[in-house]
Amino acid sequence: AQSVTQLGSHVSVSEGALVLLRCNYSSSVPPYLFWYVQYPNQGLQLLLKYTTGATLVKGINGFEAEFKKSETSFHLTKPSAHMSDAAEYFCAVYTGGFKTIFGAGTRLFVKA
Amino acid sequence: GAVVSQHPSWVICKSGTSVKIECRSLDFQATTMFWYRQFPKQSLMLMATSNEGSKATYEQGVEKDKFLINHASLTLSTLTVTSAHPEDSSFYICSASRESGGANVLTFGAGSRLTVL
Repeated sequence: AQSVTQLGSHVSVSEGALVLLRCNYSSSVPPYLFWYVQYPNQGLQLLLKYTTGATLVKGINGFEAEFKKSETSFHLTKPSAHMSDAAEYFCAVYTGGFKTIFGAGTRLFVKA
Repeated sequence: GAVVSQHPSWVICKSGTSVKIECRSLDFQATTMFWYRQFPKQSLMLMATSNEGSKATYEQGVEKDKFLINHASLTLSTLTVTSAHPEDSSFYICSASRESGGANVLTFGAGSRLTVL
C-alpha cells in the first residue's frame, strides 16, 4: 500500500533561513510525487511535481524538491524563507487508479 | 492554467437543512473530480470520487445518503450535505483531475467552509 509520511507537523524558521520540509513515501510502483501549499481558508495549490526525468524539481515561489529513490524521500527546500511562505504544506503521492495519497501536512512558521 | 471554482466559500445554515456546494472546472474538462473534508489542523480526508455520468465512489465510512454527489457534466460536480447537523461543520474541498505527463495532477478549489448551527 502507498503511504506518505511528513516528518514534523510544525517547522519554524527565521526569515532568510533555509526551509527544509521532509517527506518520505512508500510505494510498490514508481511514484509520482507532489508538494502542495495551503494558505488559511483556501484550497491547495500545486508547488511542484515529480513524474519522470530529472530528480531535482523546481517549483513556484523558489521552492524545489529532490526525488531520492534510494531514500524514498522527496524533501522540499527553499534557500531563503520569506514571511509569505508561512502556510501548510502537503506532500502527496500518486501511483495510479486516480488515487492521490496526502501526508498529514507540515505547518511552516516564519519568524521575523 | 487550470482553474477550479468552488462555491460558496462560506455557508452558515440551520440544523436540518440541506446545503449544496458546487465545483466547476473553468478551462478544462474534468471527467473525474474528488471531494475532501478537512478538519482543523489536519490533512485532507477523501470522501468520494466523482465520475461524470456515473455514480460517485464513496470512501469507507462516508454516508452516501448524507453526502450526495452529482457529476452531471464534464465541468461541474456538486456535493449536497443533506439534513446537516453541527457535526457536519467542516471545510470541504473539491479537486479536478487532469493528466499531465502521465500523472494525475489535481487542481483544487478554494474550499467551502460549512457551519451548521
